[in-house]
Amino acid sequence: EAQVTQNPRYLITVTGKKLTVTCSQNMNHEYMSWYRQDPGLGLRQIYYSMNVEVTDKGDVPEGYKVSRKEKRNFPLILESPSPNQTSLYFCASSLSVTGGNQPQHFGDGTRLSIL
Amino acid sequence: QQQVKQSPQSLIVQKGGISIINCAYENTAFDYFPWYQQFPGKGPALLIAIRPDVSEKKEGRFTISFNKSAKQFSLHIMDSQPGDSATYFCAANIFVGAGSYQLTFGKGTKLSVIP
Repeated sequence: EAQVTQNPRYLITVTGKKLTVTCSQNMNHEYMSWYRQDPGLGLRQIYYSMNVEVTDKGDVPEGYKVSRKEKRNFPLILESPSPNQTSLYFCASSLSVTGGNQPQHFGDGTRLSIL
Repeated sequence: QQQVKQSPQSLIVQKGGISIINCAYENTAFDYFPWYQQFPGKGPALLIAIRPDVSEKKEGRFTISFNKSAKQFSLHIMDSQPGDSATYFCAANIFVGAGSYQLTFGKGTKLSVIP
């Protein structure tokens, strides 16, 4: 089954404790992206990756890091989480970055609470 | 930051009625306009999409109307059903250089269809 898998689905942690949210897709997609969803603000892009070893900032990259060492994986790293990063996070992937009209496939989300 | 303005924030429609969600944009460089549907606990999923050279696209009970001169587009759900109750996001795609595209989302509309 074609899917984007995020782990963990839920996490409660404390300020300053480094964490990683993993994302994996099995569709051989080139393009991967991370979004955060906050009430009243919709989906905002954090980082995206056009292919292996190629990443770029989205609209709200502060406080986050990403890496793309393999095509299928795109982890989101919070080096020193703060309470304002409490949010619902989504990873997404799409077939090709050269065709902008490619549907993005989303994971089921990771709810992070940072105390 | 590119913007897509979506309204209303929430919508209550009776079963069998028509649900209408509106979006507006400023940047004429946007070249693809998808709508995503999100059920609670799930990631958004592509519902229907349109390109700016088309004024209307229909898929079953879902229709996108696109007004290029007004820079507006809307989603119409005919014969709305309780199963359509979800959050709907409009989005707009733009080429950001170096072969990359970025998808900008509206803030979402929570639709409730009551029996």
